[in-house]
Amino acid sequence: GNSVTQMEGPVTLSEEAFLTINCTYTATGYPSLFWYVQYPGEGLQLLLKATKADDKGSNKGFEATYRKETTSFHLEKGSVQVSDSAVYFCALNPSSNFGNEKLTFGTGTRLTIIP
Amino acid sequence: GAGVSQSPRYKVAKRGQDVALRCDPISGHVSLFWYQQALGQGPEFLTYFQNEAQLDKSGLPSDRFFAERPEGSVSTLKIQRTQQEDSAVYLCASSLGSQGYEKLFFGSGTQLSVL
Repeated sequence: GNSVTQMEGPVTLSEEAFLTINCTYTATGYPSLFWYVQYPGEGLQLLLKATKADDKGSNKGFEATYRKETTSFHLEKGSVQVSDSAVYFCALNPSSNFGNEKLTFGTGTRLTIIP
Repeated sequence: GAGVSQSPRYKVAKRGQDVALRCDPISGHVSLFWYQQALGQGPEFLTYFQNEAQLDKSGLPSDRFFAERPEGSVSTLKIQRTQQEDSAVYLCASSLGSQGYEKLFFGSGTQLSVL
């Protein structure tokens, strides 16, 4: 079946540090891959996505590259800010046709940035 | 409305009680999803509507769970004879279209506690 394994947290970093949150997946076919973010007291928000191998999703300084050979979609940011403190979820959509199919989420990684 | 609205924000139920959770999607959004998020876990798919049609209910954990969207907008998730294992945050999400990839917009969720 489909599954997502992501780096366990919590992760605590100082402001301006480099961030990596690991995510690997298991899926049949060619899934689309996503990172969602949940800020305190808010709903999940799409952060970035990639729909095929070697695609790079990017948004708000965050990046992730769809690596089919390693079945990975690691999230990176070069210089984190206090406002990046949130819970980050890696997810996949099992259909490369981008149908409205159910997402499979990882367990989430809580990130705290210290000033 | 401006976003996906869920009510109530918090619900405490005694074991055995029935509960009803409401979701108001963004106006005009065709697709609507329900997810269940247990403490410390990622969201798990429950069910999916396209307009008033329930196209996928494979994630509903038991026949005590029932969802409806009779007029293709507001949706209600009903849980009968609640059990402690039903304690979780219930998330609703909607998207504009039904063909091809569409961005999902999540509500803030209803936190259900079964005592």
